[in-house]
Amino acid sequence: SQQGEEDPQALSIQEGENATMNCSYKTSINNLQWYRQNSGRGLVHLILIRSNEREKHSGRLRVTLDTSKKSSSLLITASRAADTASYFCARTGGYNKLIFGAGTRLAVHP
Amino acid sequence: DVKVTQSSRYLVKRTGEKVFLECVQDMDHENMFWYRQDPGLGLRLIYFSYDVKMKEKGDIPEGYSVSREKKERFSLILESASTNQTSMYLCASSASRGSLDIQYFGAGTRLSVL
Repeated sequence: SQQGEEDPQALSIQEGENATMNCSYKTSINNLQWYRQNSGRGLVHLILIRSNEREKHSGRLRVTLDTSKKSSSLLITASRAADTASYFCARTGGYNKLIFGAGTRLAVHP
Repeated sequence: DVKVTQSSRYLVKRTGEKVFLECVQDMDHENMFWYRQDPGLGLRLIYFSYDVKMKEKGDIPEGYSVSREKKERFSLILESASTNQTSMYLCASSASRGSLDIQYFGAGTRLSVL
C-alpha cells in the first residue's frame, strides 16, 4: 500500500494528558503534513514539516520528523475534550496529490 | 480563509440512479480532488483535476466520472449508483504554486445508496 501507517489506531486519554500519534511511510518525502477530522466533517490542515526539518511547533502541537526512520510523530500537549477527533498524516504523492494514512482516533475524556 | 463548499451534507439515493455531487471553492485553486472515506480504509482518491476540463484518475475511479467546466467547480458523477458506493465523499482543493500541497476540504457528503 502507498498509504502511511499510523499508530495507534485508537487512543483514549484524560483531559490534561499528552497524546502522541505516530506515522510511518515507505518512500522519500519533500514534506509531511498532519490533518485533523472531527466526527462526520472534512479534514483540517494542522501543520506541515519539511524534509529538512526535525521538529516543528504550533501552539500545543509538536511534530517531529525522522527521515532516516521514515517516521513522524504528532504530540498534543495538555489535551482537551475538544481535541477529540481523528488525526491523519499525509505525504505528497506527485501531481499535487496527497497520500493519507489510515488515521488515529483520539478520544479525550473530561 | 479558503472555503470549499459541498452542495449536500446528506444524500439518499436508490440503486441505479444518476447522482451528482457538487463542490465549489472560492480561492482560485488550480487543483481539486474527490475522495471517498470508509471505516478502516482511510481516504482514497477517486479523481482529481489540475485545470479546467482536465481530469486524472485516482486510485479508485471505477464507477465514477467527473466534470470541471469552471475553475471553481468540480463535480463527481455516479452514473448508476450502487450500494457499494455508500460512503462519505470529501472534496478538496489546493493551489499549484507555493502551496506545498496543502489541501482544503469541504465538510463532506454522506451518501447512502439503497
